[in-house]
Amino acid sequence: SAVISQKPSRDICQRGTSLTIQCQVDSQVTMMFWYRQQPGQSLTLIATANQGSEATYESGFVIDKFPISRPNLTFSTLTVSNMSPEDSSIYLCSVSLDTQETQYFGPGTRLLVL
Amino acid sequence: RKEVEQDPGPFNVPEGATVAFNCTYSNSASQSFFWYRQDCRKEPKLLMSVYSSGNEDGRFTAQLNRASQYISLLIRDSKLSDSATYLCVVLERGDYKLSFGAGTTVTVRA
Repeated sequence: SAVISQKPSRDICQRGTSLTIQCQVDSQVTMMFWYRQQPGQSLTLIATANQGSEATYESGFVIDKFPISRPNLTFSTLTVSNMSPEDSSIYLCSVSLDTQETQYFGPGTRLLVL
Repeated sequence: RKEVEQDPGPFNVPEGATVAFNCTYSNSASQSFFWYRQDCRKEPKLLMSVYSSGNEDGRFTAQLNRASQYISLLIRDSKLSDSATYLCVVLERGDYKLSFGAGTTVTVRA
C-alpha cells in the first residue's frame, strides 16, 4: 500500500473564493485520482491527474472549475474555484500502485462553503 | 441505471450474527471487483478483492457471480467493530477508473 496525506484536512470558505488541496504520497505512483463525496453519497470521480500533462476530467467536471496539477509522481493538487455552497463536500485523492488495480485513498479534505 | 447498485440497508444485527448483502453491476465487461469499508467521517479502505472462485479473509467471505452480475459479502460472527458502510467497487477491463456503489450500512449492536 501507500501512505497518503492531504492538506488541509478541513476548511470553511466563503463563496466566490478558491481552495487548493494538496495530496502527497510517500512513494512514486503511476496513477493519481481526485474524487468527491457529497454528504450521504458515494464517491464520484472528478479527474485522473496525469504527470506532465493535463488532467483527464469526467463528465460534469471541467478544468476551469477544478484545475489540477501533478508536477511529479508523488504530488498533486486540486483547486476548487469560485466556490459555492454546492461545493461543500469531502474531496479525496487516491493512488493506484504500478502493479495493482486497487486504489488507496488519502484521509480526505472536508470543505464547507458558506 | 446506475453502474453499481447496493442495498443501502441499514442492516442492524446483534454481535455474533451473520450478515450478508449483495451488489449488482451493469457492465458485463467489468473485470475486477472489490469491497471497501468506510467508517464514519473516514476515507474508504480496501477490505478485500473479489476473485472469480470466491475468497475468504477471516470472517469475511466474498463471492462473484458473473452470469448474474453480482457480488456478495458475508460477515460471520459479527463484531461491534464491523459497524461501517461497505462499498462495492467495480473496475472495467482496460480502465483504471473505479465505479462505486452507494454503500451498505451495517450496524452491529451489543
